[in-house]
Amino acid sequence: LAKTTQPISMDSYEGQEVNITCSHNNIATNDYITWYQQFPSQGPRFIIQGYKTKVTNEVASLFIPADRKSSTLSLPRVSLSDTAVYYCLVGATNAGKSTFGDGTTLTVKP
Amino acid sequence: GAVVSQHPSWVICKSGTSVKIECRSLDFQATTMFWYRQFPKQSLMLMATSNEGSKATYEQGVEKDKFLINHASLTLSTLTVTSAHPEDSSFYICSARDPGLAGGRNEQFFGPGTRLTVL
Repeated sequence: LAKTTQPISMDSYEGQEVNITCSHNNIATNDYITWYQQFPSQGPRFIIQGYKTKVTNEVASLFIPADRKSSTLSLPRVSLSDTAVYYCLVGATNAGKSTFGDGTTLTVKP
Repeated sequence: GAVVSQHPSWVICKSGTSVKIECRSLDFQATTMFWYRQFPKQSLMLMATSNEGSKATYEQGVEKDKFLINHASLTLSTLTVTSAHPEDSSFYICSARDPGLAGGRNEQFFGPGTRLTVL
């Protein structure tokens, strides 16, 4: 399983764009990159998933360079409710397991 | 989206007793479910992969005789913590993938978690 590395914590202010980068140097050809958000005492919640280039949905964008050794989760105009831990996972196939890294604790300040 | 539920959401038990936690996929069938444990301020740690109709696959260091996993149907997996001790107190989370997702999507859908406190 590919190991992931993220910053331990990040601070931001309401209304700003936040970019969280994840390194995954050992990503395999059939691995997808998936980001989850977790609030205290809750299960993680899916944010976005991608394989290459750029993916955008209603809550975030995911940028993946051509070598796929890293990825960046972009949260536009964060609010206080975006304060959470964000995890980057790398894994393949529908039945395969994924390993969580340490995650990034994002704190949004007023 | 796919929904995974867990029951109970929290449980307090005495040391030495056994506790069963249920994980259900509500609107899809899951041949594989995953069980995680999370201690305060730490990341999720994968304990085991639950396979429908066969034995679970445990991660290194996880005692299979202590954490019994049963995946008797395509929508239900159970984790039983046997002879629980205070050090087993943790947040237990299950997840499953929906094989019916289109476009190669393979994200996991997580349950809300179960807080276990062993006195």
